[in-house]
Amino acid sequence: DAGVIQSPRHEVTEMGQEVTLRCKPISGHNSLFWYRQTMMRGLELLIYFNNNVPIDDSGMPEDRFSAKMPNASFSTLKIQPSEPRDSAVYFCASTYSSGTEAFFGQGTRLTVV
Amino acid sequence: GQQVMQIPQYQHVQEGEDFTTYCNSSTTLSNIQWYKQRPGGHPVFLIQLVKSGEVKKQKRLTFQFGEAKKNSSLHITATQTTDVGTYFCAGMFSGGYNKLIFGAGTRLAVHP
Repeated sequence: DAGVIQSPRHEVTEMGQEVTLRCKPISGHNSLFWYRQTMMRGLELLIYFNNNVPIDDSGMPEDRFSAKMPNASFSTLKIQPSEPRDSAVYFCASTYSSGTEAFFGQGTRLTVV
Repeated sequence: GQQVMQIPQYQHVQEGEDFTTYCNSSTTLSNIQWYKQRPGGHPVFLIQLVKSGEVKKQKRLTFQFGEAKKNSSLHITATQTTDVGTYFCAGMFSGGYNKLIFGAGTRLAVHP
């Protein structure tokens, strides 16, 4: 398996633009997590899905953020409109829901100017 | 809320010295996991502890899980320059669906 695949690896966008981050989890994993990493706030859990259903989105900072998982092999995190303070590295991770190790993607480094 | 506290935030050591990072949760954990992130990389799983009082070793790394399943530690003996990176603990909170919450991480610098 190729592991968790995220795209794009880097994204630079202007304030106010819509940004969509993509994630393909490991085949067979049924839990998917979106994290945001910054120097100030560390690794923050934004939202997680179990069997494609959003279980807890309490970490989503505000209504500008939304996440979907239309099927077991694909998830998106959308920011609309984007702001400079959204600049961070966004990680997607997948695991079996039984609570075993999480496998992380390479991350998307987002810069909003 | 569910939080995992981790200290210290930074640790600078001379090569050959020992290193320890500590994690604490306010609530009982289902399990605790440890990850390492190299600069510019992504978190990579090291180990999972499940049982109360569990101790596991990986070469120079020793992982412990507290009796109450609320705290954990990672100890590295005789650090090497290859140990450089940020070490994260991550608590798995049970209650229907597993929620993985990361500590703030400890950034380790090793001076040769």
